[in-house]
Amino acid sequence: EAGVTQSPTHLIKTRGQQVTLRCSPISGHTSVYWYQQALGLGLQFLLWYDEGEERNRGNFPPRFSGRQFPNYSSELNVNALELEDSALYLCASSLRTGLYEQYFGPGTRLTVT
Amino acid sequence: RKEVEQDPGPFNVPEGATVAFNCTYSNSASQSFFWYRQDCRKEPKLLMSVYSSGNEDGRFTAQLNRASQYISLLIRDSKLSDSATYLCVVTLNTGGFKTIFGAGTRLFVKA
Repeated sequence: EAGVTQSPTHLIKTRGQQVTLRCSPISGHTSVYWYQQALGLGLQFLLWYDEGEERNRGNFPPRFSGRQFPNYSSELNVNALELEDSALYLCASSLRTGLYEQYFGPGTRLTVT
Repeated sequence: RKEVEQDPGPFNVPEGATVAFNCTYSNSASQSFFWYRQDCRKEPKLLMSVYSSGNEDGRFTAQLNRASQYISLLIRDSKLSDSATYLCVVTLNTGGFKTIFGAGTRLFVKA
């Protein structure tokens, strides 16, 4: 069974640009979570989607947004990129909501120059 | 006070040693508990869920103490491959589900 997949693997962008990251959950999982992990730091929760709806949001500015599609895949969009947005962006999926184990994709490493 | 706290370490232990990590959580409404391991520059991988009765998976044992609001992870007979960062994860429902990751405890197992 395929795990969580993310694309692209690596990305280099310039300050002020916009970026879209993509995630496909494990088959049968309806919840998708996005996290940011800056180098040497812990995971910071960004967004949680379930059944196409945004269910919760972390302490990030509105330029971080996303959506979930009917097939449960998800996109994370970041507008007006800043240098401090450079990080590993991790997507995870789980069965239904909330209390279940989350399984992570390999992440997208974003570098903003 | 952080919602989930872990000793950052690092813990430096020889192969074959037993090592234990604790993690404390602040919200008594916490409902689900997990341990993940994360290797350098890789994604976190689920190590084990933590149940009220405690659970064991090979060399790994997890315990939950709801009264004192902490969970623990015990690793017996440490292997070089156990070197990683161990993340404590807590999920709670406060009008909406929320998952909180601890900052992690770094473990180095040396030959």
